[in-house]
Order: sequence, then structure tokens, then C-alpha cells
Amino acid sequence: DQQVKQNSPSLSVQEGRISILNCDYTNSMFDYFLWYKKYPAEGPTFLISISSIKDKNEDGRFTVFLNKSAKHLSLHIVPSQPGDSAVYFCAAAYYTGTASKLTFGTGTRLQVTL
Amino acid sequence: GAVVSQHPSWVICKSGTSVKIECRSLDFQATTMFWYRQFPKQSLMLMATSNEGSKATYEQGVEKDKFLINHASLTLSTLTVTSAHPEDSSFYICSADRTVNSPLHFGNGTRLTVT
Repeated sequence: DQQVKQNSPSLSVQEGRISILNCDYTNSMFDYFLWYKKYPAEGPTFLISISSIKDKNEDGRFTVFLNKSAKHLSLHIVPSQPGDSAVYFCAAAYYTGTASKLTFGTGTRLQVTL
Repeated sequence: GAVVSQHPSWVICKSGTSVKIECRSLDFQATTMFWYRQFPKQSLMLMATSNEGSKATYEQGVEKDKFLINHASLTLSTLTVTSAHPEDSSFYICSADRTVNSPLHFGNGTRLTVT
């Protein structure tokens, strides 16, 4: 049962344009959401997060939007750069009492073209 | 710089042997670490939660006798794949929390190939 889904396995965007990566979740107990960037054979690198009490968080070129009623979040990258090409994972978490464990989506491969 | 170090980055072993993977938090103490596994073109799947000083908590479907986890100190957790088989070949990644609800910091992963 995939509780976090990224329905687009790949996305191609022209340099300078906006990249929008989408993520849906089913578990209403999730209260913290994160986006990670991953290169092959490396661990994920944290990009940006959002708490369920917010609907938007912005950090430089990266903005995450959360729509709790729709159980949907998205990552916007503006402007997109070739170095952004990677696999992006969304992840969701809820506090377990000791630490938050993450449930990952299946990933979206972003290709930023010149 | 890296805050979680994982070693080795890749390992090839023969079927039937055991392999140990180390995960260290470099500048913070982690009472909890997590072990994930990723198959090619698939998501990272949580295998187990490693708790310092107590038994690990395994996710459903993960064999605890096959994937031995030891979290003997606040900066080190180890995953031992016992009697490895080719189907255990995968990319194993550890992570650690600096504080609750902080972004998890990941190691660079270990590519295990069992021949």
C-alpha cells in the first residue's frame, strides 16, 4: 500500500522555466512533509520541508505548497537550472514518540534541458 | 559537509557470506537511526528503526534474523546482512535525526552486490 505517491515518474523542463513536481498522500496522520533530491548511488539530500500547519514554504528557488484537504503537495522550482536534474522524492512523516520516520514516494526524475 | 557517514560505499560478496554496513552520525548524537533499502527505479523503503541501547524495530516483511541491527552507541548503528543471497543485492541507506522533526540526514548509501 503506497501511502505516498508521485504519479509522474519523469518530467522534462526547459532551463529557466518552472518545474512543478507533485505528490499525493493517503495517511491523514502525516503532519510533516519533505522533499529530497537524489543522484544515483548517493543518499538523498534534503531540499525543503513543510509542516501541516502551513500551506506554503519558500526557500530561494524552491517553494513547497501543501493542500491538506486534497492530501496533495507540490514542489515548484523557479527558475529551473540544468543542475536541478535529478530524482526528487517527496516524503511524509508523523511523530512516533521518539523520532519521525519517513515514508517516501516513488520519485520523479527531473530533466532540465538547455 | 556530511553529517552522516556510511561505510562501505559499495561491497561485493559471495552468496552465503555476511556483510556489515556502518552508519555514523558525525557531529551529533542520534538515539534513533533508520535503515532504508532501495531497489532500482523504486522508492526508498524503510526497513527498520535502530534505537540506541535497545532492540531495533523492524517494518513488516523485513526479516530481523537476516538483517541484524546494532546501535551500540549514540553515534553508530550497524546493519549486518547475514547469509546474503543475490536477491539481497540492493542499495542500503541509513539516516539519522538531529532533532525530532528536523530533516533527516542521510548517509551516501551502500551498494551491495551478492554474487
